[in-house]
Amino acid sequence: GNSVTQMEGPVTLSEEAFLTINCTYTATGYPSLFWYVQYPGEGLQLLLKATKADDKGSNKGFEATYRKETTSFHLEKGSVQVSDSAVYFCALMRRQNQGAQKLVFGQGTRLTINP
Amino acid sequence: DSGVTQTPKHLITATGQRVTLRCSPRSGDLSVYWYQQSLDQGLQFLIQYYNGEERAKGNILERFSAQQFPDLHSELNLSSLELGDSALYFCASSYPSGGTGNTIYFGEGSWLTVV
Repeated sequence: GNSVTQMEGPVTLSEEAFLTINCTYTATGYPSLFWYVQYPGEGLQLLLKATKADDKGSNKGFEATYRKETTSFHLEKGSVQVSDSAVYFCALMRRQNQGAQKLVFGQGTRLTINP
Repeated sequence: DSGVTQTPKHLITATGQRVTLRCSPRSGDLSVYWYQQSLDQGLQFLIQYYNGEERAKGNILERFSAQQFPDLHSELNLSSLELGDSALYFCASSYPSGGTGNTIYFGEGSWLTVV
């Protein structure tokens, strides 16, 4: 079946550090891949997405590249800020029959950035 | 602001009771999704509706039911509540694009506490 595995958290970094959150997936066919972010006390927000192999999604300084050969979609940011502290979810979407669609999420990685 | 509106934001109720969570999708979106976020299970897909019809079903308990109305808003009904039903319930919506590149937008969630 379809599944997403993220690196376990929590992750604690200092401001301006380089961030990588690993995400690998298992899926048949060609899913779309997403990163969502959940800031404290808020809902899920789409951070970036990629719909086919070698696509790079980017937003707010974050990047992730769809790697089909390694079935990965690792999230990176060159210089993190305190305001990036949140829980990050990797997810895949694979379209099913009759237009059914669902996102399959990883377990989430809690990121804390210290000043 | 994603444009997806959920009410109520917080709800406390007793075991055995029934509650209804309401969701208004983004303007123009035809699909509505319900997800449950709990500490031990992570983000779990419950159900999807498209233009009033059920399209996909996930890990939704028989005590739970949902529907999408002609004006496209949706309700999730939770009955015979148990302590373990305490969770954050997300509604999400999307406009079908015909492919897996669809972006699903999430509301801020409804916090349900069962005591």
